[in-house]
Amino acid sequence: ETGVTQTPRHLVMGMTNKKSLKCEQHLGHNAMYWYKQSAKKPLELMFVYNFKEQTENNSVPSRFSPECPNSSHLFLHLHTLQPEDSALYLCASSQDDPYSFRGNTIYFGEGSWLTVV
Amino acid sequence: GQNIDQPTEMTATEGAIVQINCTYQTSGFNGLFWYQQHAGEAPTFLSYNVLDGLEEKGRFSSFLSRSKGYSYLLLKELQMKDSASYLCAVASGGSYIPTFGRGTSLIVHP
Repeated sequence: ETGVTQTPRHLVMGMTNKKSLKCEQHLGHNAMYWYKQSAKKPLELMFVYNFKEQTENNSVPSRFSPECPNSSHLFLHLHTLQPEDSALYLCASSQDDPYSFRGNTIYFGEGSWLTVV
Repeated sequence: GQNIDQPTEMTATEGAIVQINCTYQTSGFNGLFWYQQHAGEAPTFLSYNVLDGLEEKGRFSSFLSRSKGYSYLLLKELQMKDSASYLCAVASGGSYIPTFGRGTSLIVHP
């Protein structure tokens, strides 16, 4: 139990489907993140939310749409994905403002395995 | 951006010591992280270095040399459960958000 819970753990979707990944953190943290982990590639930062405001979008295609209704919840809405989007999607959170606090430790959830067929 | 380099795979024997190296190139260095990730699980935080030197935490130690753009993670008294991927990550520029390397897969055998 990492304090960051992701659902579903596994998702198979067709290219025309719409689905959402959900993340909830029980740590009282103020920043939340989406990362993508593909085989043979480094963890890639996708989005950052700091006190519910999106502060980073690392050139992520619009078929990925994040939503952060409050500091404890983060969603990733998926629409018309491609097979190359199949990967492990990791949600994470950190206590402090990631632009102000040195040693800002990020805590990860166990991820959602996404397969696009 | 950053360029982070670490070996793809290492093997070691139970009870031994292993050193996993990481080199990086970046501007505006804000610290270096090490994470451990077992297969199918979340990455978990191991260490954070922002000043030069060695930080020891139980069987794990992490070293940083900012002038050389170099860090290593030292694992002592290896156990089978230490078989995992070890991720080196660097924060730089205007944030303390880590950018990750590809990770080193460590295999510990009896």
